[in-house]
Amino acid sequence: GEDVEQSLFLSVREGDSSVINCTYTDSSSTYLYWYKQEPGAGLQLLTYIFSNMDMKQDQRLTVLLNKKDKHLSLRIADTQTGDSAIYFCAESIKRGSYIPTFGRGTSLIVHP
Amino acid sequence: NAGVTQTPKFQVLKTGQSMTLQCAQDMNHEYMSWYRQDPGMGLRLIHYSVGAGITDQGEVPNGYNVSRSTTEDFPLRLLSAAPSQTSVYFCASSYPGQLFFEAFFGQGTRLTVV
Repeated sequence: GEDVEQSLFLSVREGDSSVINCTYTDSSSTYLYWYKQEPGAGLQLLTYIFSNMDMKQDQRLTVLLNKKDKHLSLRIADTQTGDSAIYFCAESIKRGSYIPTFGRGTSLIVHP
Repeated sequence: NAGVTQTPKFQVLKTGQSMTLQCAQDMNHEYMSWYRQDPGMGLRLIHYSVGAGITDQGEVPNGYNVSRSTTEDFPLRLLSAAPSQTSVYFCASSYPGQLFFEAFFGQGTRLTVV
């Protein structure tokens, strides 16, 4: 989606932290999401953040939201080879519905 | 629970052929949607439905038709397949709780048009 931008690739070593970045354009976004797609599978919701929050932490995952810059990031601590996947940023705003708009996805490759 | 079921998983069509991609969900979700996924393009919304009998166009609707006669089913029809429609197609469903919108995805249909 043209309203949500992500870099396409990220490569990290196992055990390091991964940071996946996303920018969005619509300031009326209410919820912002991170979805994960493993090879050959559909997308699954990984985590989300409400637009009035700055940060959300869930075990190894930390989501940071900078509303001023319309910037969202996902940090994965102690990245494992099982974290290798495509990560999609998505925003949910009212355009007749709240159907999410997805970014292009960031392919995370974790090296042993 | 089966969740969202898409059939077929793989399909090869010749240019000009028509076919229907099936999507069924057993979660009684009101919202259903179809996306296509192309390399470097992410997910693009084709059509969506906010309830039985109601459908609307997404970002890339040309060449596709949909209908929603029941809550459970949301088929996607390709009227005259073109090579540009070679893609992986995902169906998703959601129950809109307030503004939060978790989408549940099927496993995808990989379509090749030759």
